[in-house]
Amino acid sequence: AQRVTQPEKLLSVFKGAPVELKCNYSYSGSPELFWYVQYSRQRLQLLLRHISRESIKGFTADLNKGETSFHLKKPFAQEEDSAMYYCALSGPGGATNKLIFGTGTLLAVQP
Amino acid sequence: GAGVSQSPSNKVTEKGKDVELRCDPISGHTALYWYRQSLGQGLEFLIYFQGNSAPDKSGLPSDRFSAERTGGSVSTLTIQRTQQEDSAVYLCASSFGTGEYEQYFGPGTRLTVT
Repeated sequence: AQRVTQPEKLLSVFKGAPVELKCNYSYSGSPELFWYVQYSRQRLQLLLRHISRESIKGFTADLNKGETSFHLKKPFAQEEDSAMYYCALSGPGGATNKLIFGTGTLLAVQP
Repeated sequence: GAGVSQSPSNKVTEKGKDVELRCDPISGHTALYWYRQSLGQGLEFLIYFQGNSAPDKSGLPSDRFSAERTGGSVSTLTIQRTQQEDSAVYLCASSFGTGEYEQYFGPGTRLTVT
């Protein structure tokens, strides 16, 4: 079954500390992995996707197929990073591009 | 340009009533998705439309849920005989196509069934 697991509901760190938001997935095949972010009172938006191999707002994520993980990392957290983060996957199983989301992790960056 | 819009932003209804939620996708986007965000749950896929193809309804939780997309643009999600467990934020997203195209999300409709 396709599944995305985000084990932490809340991650609280101090400004300047490193951040790692965990994401593990279950999928038979080669999925596409994404991180979406929702800032307070804003709509859900794409942060990054593994095929782009980009660094957005200082965040990076590496797809580890052996561990079926796609953890989101940032070396130095900023207060403006406080938001809800969702890991998601989509795959070629079918004609759609539907996203399977994890339950999300709330990142709180303390001053 | 304008993003995905949804209406109403909030809807309170009594158990057993029918509700309609509307989504206006970004102009030119051929793919449209509905998702649901329930308290304590992640975002769940509901239904997907792509051009003139038959919709993927695999995520609809029951036959009380239906959706249509008229003229390849606006979509309406209808919930009949609402139940309290239908209370959630319903999100619409659109994309230029499938494959590598990014999905752009609307602000959502918060549905409360009393």
